[in-house]
Amino acid sequence: NAGVTQTPKFRILKIGQSMTLQCTQDMNHNYMYWYRQDPGMGLKLIYYSVGAGITDKGEVPNGYNVSRSTTEDFPLRLELAAPSQTSVYFCASSYSTEKTQYFGPGTRLLVL
Amino acid sequence: GQQLNQSPQSMFIQEGEDVSMNCTSSSIFNTWLWYKQDPGEGPVLLIALYKAGELTSNGRLTAQFGITRKDSFLNISASIPSDVGIYFCAGASGGSNYKLTFGKGTLLTVNP
Repeated sequence: NAGVTQTPKFRILKIGQSMTLQCTQDMNHNYMYWYRQDPGMGLKLIYYSVGAGITDKGEVPNGYNVSRSTTEDFPLRLELAAPSQTSVYFCASSYSTEKTQYFGPGTRLLVL
Repeated sequence: GQQLNQSPQSMFIQEGEDVSMNCTSSSIFNTWLWYKQDPGEGPVLLIALYKAGELTSNGRLTAQFGITRKDSFLNISASIPSDVGIYFCAGASGGSNYKLTFGKGTLLTVNP
């Protein structure tokens, strides 16, 4: 039982490039989330999903897209990377009946 | 939107000392969670609180859910060097609202 896994661990992008951050969970959680963490700012919700085929915007969705084709996977897509998207990205998951969220190890993204 | 004020922002203590940090909210929460984040890792759940007035311990950690449901505190007794990290509180409101609101974190440094 690996929990929540994220790839890659670290990536450098040039402005305007695109990439997909991968997130997979093996706990059969139906709720999944993407956060970004900036220094001293805590965690801000980008997008979330309450089940396969269902996604919704969080607090800071601009510049990102998500999809949820399976229960296990919840990839986050950056289409045109900007320096403001330099951050640490965390994926999390939870059971629908619980509030506790379990986090992955994070992806560190640097946009130059 | 909901906001959480977490204090202090940072603490620098000597090994063996006790530590206390707290979170206050502008609105009522039905669940309080405390997470710890080690450098370069994702947040890990420490304690979950589900009832007003609830006092829960996890080893040297004790957390309480405030009676007003607008605050929570975390105490760490007899700190050790591995307690170093960022501690986050998170709150969830009731019903089907599964989204968490996070505090900005308390950075704890323990001097051996």
